[in-house]
Amino acid sequence: QLQLQESGPGLVKPSETLSLTCTVSGGSISRSSYYWGWIRQPPGKGLEWIGSIYYSGSTYYNPSLKSRVTISVDTSKNQFSLKLSSVTAADTAVYYCAREIAVDAFDIWGQGTMVTVSS
Amino acid sequence: QSALTQPASVSGSPGQSITISCTGTSSDVGSYNLVSWYQQHPGKAPKLMIYEGSKRPSGVSNRFSGSKSGNTASLTISGLQAEDEADYYCCSYAGRVFGGGTKLTVL
Repeated sequence: QLQLQESGPGLVKPSETLSLTCTVSGGSISRSSYYWGWIRQPPGKGLEWIGSIYYSGSTYYNPSLKSRVTISVDTSKNQFSLKLSSVTAADTAVYYCAREIAVDAFDIWGQGTMVTVSS
Repeated sequence: QSALTQPASVSGSPGQSITISCTGTSSDVGSYNLVSWYQQHPGKAPKLMIYEGSKRPSGVSNRFSGSKSGNTASLTISGLQAEDEADYYCCSYAGRVFGGGTKLTVL
């Protein structure tokens, strides 16, 4: 059974770079024609797609975040990662990683990790 | 892209049917029948309920159905049950834009 697990610091200082990793277990990230995505949810608010990556490295980013986002994949570790630079308090959110079986269809999600931006 | 518009809240009694709307534009919802719907209980990760407009992932009850008319997609839940009480989000193929979410209350 495929599972995803986010990991990374829960506290990031303003202007620094947020870095998270999603580890995929129970299946290979590169043996399927799926995308792998990051979605976030500020406290008490709705969902926002950040970006998605194919195992080959092809990426799609939310235009509103594109200048600050980098998503990469490491097939040898069965992981994909998110980097968000120049963070502010507005980037405080629960960050989820998920498998994308079709465009905008995220069927398996990690449990989510809370990231707070504060000095 | 602009966020999709959903009602802030809907409610219904057990056994009833309810519909949650998701309104976009001719550039997103209107152009593709590829809207997805998610259910989210408090403190939990979202769960995919409908994708590509009307497809149900394995394990999702057939009480959940999706449709589209013009620039508006809809999620219908029939035979409402207490466990259906949750937040629901739509998401458009065009730019993977989410709606603002709808809180469903089962009376």
